Amino acid sequence: SQTIHQWPATLVQPVGSPLSLECTVEGTSNPNLYWYRQAAGRGLQLLFYSVGIGQISSEVPQNLSASRPQDRQFILSSKKLLLSDSGFYLCAWGHRAGYGYTFGSGTRLTVV
Amino acid sequence: QKEVEQNSGPLSVPEGAIASLNCTYSDRGSQSFFWYRQYSGKSPELIMSIYSNGDKEDGRFTAQLNKASQYVSLLIRDSQPSDSATYLCAVNRGSGNTPLVFGKGTRLSVIA
Repeated sequence: SQTIHQWPATLVQPVGSPLSLECTVEGTSNPNLYWYRQAAGRGLQLLFYSVGIGQISSEVPQNLSASRPQDRQFILSSKKLLLSDSGFYLCAWGHRAGYGYTFGSGTRLTVV
Repeated sequence: QKEVEQNSGPLSVPEGAIASLNCTYSDRGSQSFFWYRQYSGKSPELIMSIYSNGDKEDGRFTAQLNKASQYVSLLIRDSQPSDSATYLCAVNRGSGNTPLVFGKGTRLSVIA
């Protein structure tokens, strides 16, 4: 069966510090991968998605970036965090056939 | 016009009643429709998918799709306090590589 791992679960970082969140998927190949952010009391905001290694589509560039160095690995990064980057970051994977996504357990990021 | 719209709620129903959650979408080309349940502080969990007009039943859950009217609904029969959560509607506008568009969710509260 397929599983998705996301870590860390919680993170408190100072403004201006770097960020690296990692997501890996097991039990499938060539998944579509997604990074979402959910601010407190808000909906899901799509940040990046990837349909293959090295292929990244950006929905909200700002000060965040994403990379897909391996087929089942998706990384979200920032060189300098802003207070507005606080939120619940969710990684998800989906089949190319258009079925629904499976989300990871999420990372709650607080920028102080 | 927002792509996927949901009433934010909260929707309060007594235990044992039927909860009815509604979602409208703007893109007539949308092909796949999903309902996610998100407990407070947790990641969204896929609970229903529907692809063709009509009803689809799974246990206490029934998804209903009407493409002509561009709405999709979720009925929860015999509502339980454990059903209290935010329910997110998601729509796939095209192929499997096109990201899902999520509504902001409806908060459901089932009162014992």
